[in-house]
Amino acid sequence: DTGVSQDPRHKITKRGQNVTFRCDPISEHNRLYWYRQTLGQGPEFLTYFQNEAQLEKSRLLSDRFSAERPKGSFSTLEIQRTEQGDSAMYLCASLRDFSYNEQFFGPGTRLTVL
Amino acid sequence: GENVEQHPSTLSVQEGDSAVIKCTYSDSASNYFPWYKQELGKRPQLIIDIRSNVGEKKDQRIAVTLNKTAKHFSLHITETQPEDSAVYFCASQYPNDYKLSFGAGTTVTVRA
Repeated sequence: DTGVSQDPRHKITKRGQNVTFRCDPISEHNRLYWYRQTLGQGPEFLTYFQNEAQLEKSRLLSDRFSAERPKGSFSTLEIQRTEQGDSAMYLCASLRDFSYNEQFFGPGTRLTVL
Repeated sequence: GENVEQHPSTLSVQEGDSAVIKCTYSDSASNYFPWYKQELGKRPQLIIDIRSNVGEKKDQRIAVTLNKTAKHFSLHITETQPEDSAVYFCASQYPNDYKLSFGAGTTVTVRA
């Protein structure tokens, strides 16, 4: 499969626990984006990387959220001390600089915080 | 930041009829406007897109129009079929960071 992949697909956790999600972009794509989508809404931008550099973080990304892309390939998104309001679908997308503008989305990780 | 508004939020059409969804954006620097179809529990899938140097684009039963002056763009689906039932999102993209700003979505239901 040469598309964007995310792991896990579903995560159920208790409030206060930490969770970590992984995204593997398409191999030649140097830009990687994280979005959050709550029920009935469009995806909202969280943060993005160009290669290993994190270039922008949304105000939606509180101090409990951290994202990394250590080698410019896969990325992780960690949420510490989860809250019920963190329940959402977390989507990852990638694209390659100087290519057409299309972002390719992964299947998402659905987080449920009990 | 960019603000994208999308209307209507729900749309019910008879099979074979046309469906039109409209979006407006706020930042004139945005230069790329994709439309995504999302089925329940699945990833957004690009169905058509348009760049700011083009006024209209068509792909079989779907078409998109862009009015840069008014900062609005529309999706047109003709001869709707039951498999067109889904949530549709418009989005706009900045030219430097390629970040997408999405509308709130339109739930389209095609009645057989």
